[in-house]
Amino acid sequence: EAQVTQNPRYLITVTGKKLTVTCSQNMNHEYMSWYRQDPGLGLRQIYYSMNVEVTDKGDVPEGYKVSRKEKRNFPLILESPSPNQTSLYFCASSLFRRGDTQYFGPGTRLTVL
Amino acid sequence: KQEVTQIPAALSVPEGENLVLNCSFTDSAIYNLQWFRQDPGKGLTSLLLIQSSQREQTSGRLNASLDKSSGRSTLYIAASQPGDSATYLCAVSTDKLIFGTGTRLQVFP
Repeated sequence: EAQVTQNPRYLITVTGKKLTVTCSQNMNHEYMSWYRQDPGLGLRQIYYSMNVEVTDKGDVPEGYKVSRKEKRNFPLILESPSPNQTSLYFCASSLFRRGDTQYFGPGTRLTVL
Repeated sequence: KQEVTQIPAALSVPEGENLVLNCSFTDSAIYNLQWFRQDPGKGLTSLLLIQSSQREQTSGRLNASLDKSSGRSTLYIAASQPGDSATYLCAVSTDKLIFGTGTRLQVFP
């Protein structure tokens, strides 16, 4: 089954404790991205990747890191999480670029205390 | 700066009604527009993608139209069902993918 998977689905952590949210797709997509969704603000892009070893900042990249060492994986890293990073996070992929049909993961609900 | 607005923010209708969800955007220079469905606690599912050169797309009971010059798109849902209850999001593709904040739809039996 073609899908985007994220882990963990739920995470409660404390300020400053490094964490990684994994994202994997099995569709051989080149384009992958991370979004956060907050009430009243909608979905905002954090980082995106056009292909392996090619990443770029989205609209709200501060406090986040990403890497794209393999085509299928695009982990999101929070080196020192803060409470304002409490949010619902989505990973998405598409065949070549952001204008193609986007496939979303199920989301990761992160709470930073 | 591209802004995407969806009206209404919430909508509650009885089963069987035909309904229209609206999406407006401020900059007509878009590659395409996508409509998504989001169920509580789940990710987004792509429903329809309309290229900038197209006027509409249809999938089953769903029909999406695009009027690029006026910066508007509508999602028409025919014969609504309780299973259509979800949040519907539109997104325009420029050099970024910009999302609206969604319309939360409830269809009651």
